[in-house]
Amino acid sequence: AQTVTQSQPEMSVQEAETVTLSCTYDTSENNYYLFWYKQPPSRQMILVIRQEAYKQQNATENRFSVNFQKAAKSFSLKISDSQLGDTAMYFCAFMKHRSGAQKLVFGQGTRLTINP
Amino acid sequence: ETGVTQTPRHLVMGMTNKKSLKCEQHLGHNAMYWYKQSAKKPLELMFVYNFKEQTENNSVPSRFSPECPNSSHLFLHLHTLQPEDSALYLCASSQERGSGGLLETQYFGPGTRLLVL
Repeated sequence: AQTVTQSQPEMSVQEAETVTLSCTYDTSENNYYLFWYKQPPSRQMILVIRQEAYKQQNATENRFSVNFQKAAKSFSLKISDSQLGDTAMYFCAFMKHRSGAQKLVFGQGTRLTINP
Repeated sequence: ETGVTQTPRHLVMGMTNKKSLKCEQHLGHNAMYWYKQSAKKPLELMFVYNFKEQTENNSVPSRFSPECPNSSHLFLHLHTLQPEDSALYLCASSQERGSGGLLETQYFGPGTRLLVL
């Protein structure tokens, strides 16, 4: 069974700083997908960024980028120039690369607070 | 807005009540999911529907009964719940393209916060 671990329950940084959230996972699969989702106080789960395991290039989306280390089974999220609106719970998630609808396996989450 | 709506947003019910949660997706997707988010626990998958057929039941108690009449609508019927069932229930949808390895991202609704008294 796959597991996803986020070792930082809470983090806090000042606005405009860069912050990195950690995520490790355990799987015997070779092909899979990894995601970071954001859940602000409104509770709406929003996709931040995704990565296909077969791609060596790290995904980037504006101020968000990942450091994907497949051998180490590590998938960290870097937020550059952090903004107050980035305050949220961040969840790392894993999905197998298979046909058919697949479940997401989530980590416990990291509560990120951006301070003014 | 992610294109996935859920109603009601909040629900309080007694243990003897029967209620239903509704999810609707406007994205043209063919797979839908129910997740449960309890305090201090990771999100847990409950049910998966692919082309209206249930493909996964993650050992969910029978007091939760899903229904998927078509690819756009998903219900979760609740009866004789327990206080420990109080949680945020999230619906998600994705476009399952079959074999081929295309990435299917799940898009979530805003959730229904359920309190069982």
